[in-house]
Amino acid sequence: AQKVTQAQTEISVVEKEDVTLDCVYETRDTTYYLFWYKQPPSGELVFLIRRNSFDEQNEISGRYSWNFQKSTSSFNFTITASQVVDSAVYFCALSDPGNQFYFGTGTSLTVIP
Amino acid sequence: DVKVTQSSRYLVKRTGEKVFLECVQDMDHENMFWYRQDPGLGLRLIYFSYDVKMKEKGDIPEGYSVSREKKERFSLILESASTNQTSMYLCASSPGTETTNEKLFFGSGTQLSVL
Repeated sequence: AQKVTQAQTEISVVEKEDVTLDCVYETRDTTYYLFWYKQPPSGELVFLIRRNSFDEQNEISGRYSWNFQKSTSSFNFTITASQVVDSAVYFCALSDPGNQFYFGTGTSLTVIP
Repeated sequence: DVKVTQSSRYLVKRTGEKVFLECVQDMDHENMFWYRQDPGLGLRLIYFSYDVKMKEKGDIPEGYSVSREKKERFSLILESASTNQTSMYLCASSPGTETTNEKLFFGSGTQLSVL
């Protein structure tokens, strides 16, 4: 069975600090996709990144970076120099060959000015 | 810009009422989904549809039904609302099955309170 675990329920950081959000997944499939979504107070989940299981290259997009490690079944998300606008709930998700999505329970990030 | 629109942002209903939550997407997507979001539980799949007039149960379908008469519209129905259905409901869509594992596009959600 598929499972996504986000052990950090809530995180608070002071503005300009770096913060890493952890995501650990379980699957027996060899082909799968991993995602991160951001949910600001407005409610709509906003897509951040999609990564397939064969691409372990880390990715950087501005202040955001993602570290995918199959050896530890982790797909961690780092925000560098955090800003107040980064305050949101962040969800990690796994999509299996059947196109089903499995979401973690989310990490609520608060960036304090 | 692509869009998934949910008809209400906030909704208050009474126990026993029949409740309709509407979702419309303008991207010609084949796949549509209904999730509910509760604190500490993340997003849980209620129902999904891969085509018009087609529906499949998700992880927590009890107490819900759905309707997909047109490709762009996917309705979630609470036949007799109960207080344990108080939750945030999120609609999502994605392209057809020919393109696998594409990202989901989400609506802004409907916060339903059942009194």
